[in-house]
Amino acid sequence: AQSVTQLDSQVPVFEEAPVELRCNYSSSVSVYLFWYVQYPNQGLQLLLKYLSGSTLVKGINGFEAEFNKSQTSFHLRKPSVHISDTAEYFCASTWVGGTSYGKLTFGQGTILTVHP
Amino acid sequence: GAVVSQHPSWVICKSGTSVKIECRSLDFQATTMFWYRQFPKQSLMLMATSNEGSKATYEQGVEKDKFLINHASLTLSTLTVTSAHPEDSSFYICSARGGGPSTDTQYFGPGTRLTVL
Repeated sequence: AQSVTQLDSQVPVFEEAPVELRCNYSSSVSVYLFWYVQYPNQGLQLLLKYLSGSTLVKGINGFEAEFNKSQTSFHLRKPSVHISDTAEYFCASTWVGGTSYGKLTFGQGTILTVHP
Repeated sequence: GAVVSQHPSWVICKSGTSVKIECRSLDFQATTMFWYRQFPKQSLMLMATSNEGSKATYEQGVEKDKFLINHASLTLSTLTVTSAHPEDSSFYICSARGGGPSTDTQYFGPGTRLTVL
């Protein structure tokens, strides 16, 4: 079975400060990893994904994440946040191949609040 | 590209009635669509996976007779909540995969807020 753990349920930060949202995954097989953002009363928007290749993945809105296989982590970072980044962020994984291919397992979510 | 729409965006219904939610992939053909529900302040829980032209596969604990899923075409899947009750009130989100910019990625709809009175 696979699982995704987001270590912080809430992260408050001031505008223009850097932020890191932590995500750890657990799986005995290869996985794809994703970060999604959800604004209030909306669906999920894909920020970035790791499928293979370079472990540093750049996404939209200035976000990036680094896949660390030894640490089984996929932390999301942004060097300088804006008020508009206030939202809930979900880390997710899916198995590569197999009968469960394509099914996403989500973390619990991290609410990022950017203060002026 | 990779736009998924849902209709309606919100619905209020009386207990005992049925509600249909549509999920459409607007600019790509979705071989697989997924239905999730999300309770307030919680993460998304997968309800079922549907492949075009075949029966949906439901997750453990999800009543297939209560949550009817039809995936009649490569661009449309529907979720019907039958005999809805207040405990069915939730945010329902669909996603679609396949044929878009990346077949490994799920693209999500904006969600449907269901309130059962």
